[in-house]
Amino acid sequence: KAGVTQTPRYLIKTRGQQVTLSCSPISGHRSVSWYQQTPGQGLQFLFEYFSETQRNKGNFPGRFSGRQFSNSRSEMNVSTLELGDSALYLCASSLVFGEREQYFGPGTRLTVT
Amino acid sequence: QKEVEQNSGPLSVPEGAIASLNCTYSDRGSQSFFWYRQYSGKSPELIMSIYSNGDKEDGRFTAQLNKASQYVSLLIRDSQPSDSATYLCAVGYSSASKIIFGSGTRLSIRP
Repeated sequence: KAGVTQTPRYLIKTRGQQVTLSCSPISGHRSVSWYQQTPGQGLQFLFEYFSETQRNKGNFPGRFSGRQFSNSRSEMNVSTLELGDSALYLCASSLVFGEREQYFGPGTRLTVT
Repeated sequence: QKEVEQNSGPLSVPEGAIASLNCTYSDRGSQSFFWYRQYSGKSPELIMSIYSNGDKEDGRFTAQLNKASQYVSLLIRDSQPSDSATYLCAVGYSSASKIIFGSGTRLSIRP
């Protein structure tokens, strides 16, 4: 069974630009969560989508948004990029919404210059 | 009090010994608990999940859960250099219907 895939794997953007990251969950998984990981802050929860609806949201500004499509694929968007947005963005999929096993993709390394 | 607490380490253990990683959590209603391993530059990998009090063994790994003490641990027997990684404890918070991650413990196995 194929794992979680994320594209692109690496991205370099300039301050003020916007970026869209994509995640395809494991086949049959309907929930997708997004995390930001930085050396100083660890793994920070962004949001979780299930059945095309955002079910949970972390403490991030409105510049961070996401959506989920009917095939469970998910995208997250960051507008007006700041230097502090440089991080590893991880997507995790799970069968259902809530406190169940999550399986992570390889991540997208975003660098903002 | 942090929702999920782990000692950041580094924890240094000689090869062949038992590595013991600990985690405490604040939500008494939590029902699901997970351990992830993350190698430097890689994404977290789920290695154990536990839902009931007691021990759960999988190969060289044993997860231990004590809900009364709000404590979960991971034991790694016969530690190998390839076990050197950061171990993340994750707890399912039923009150928020989401998983909360600890900040991780860095484990180093010395030859």
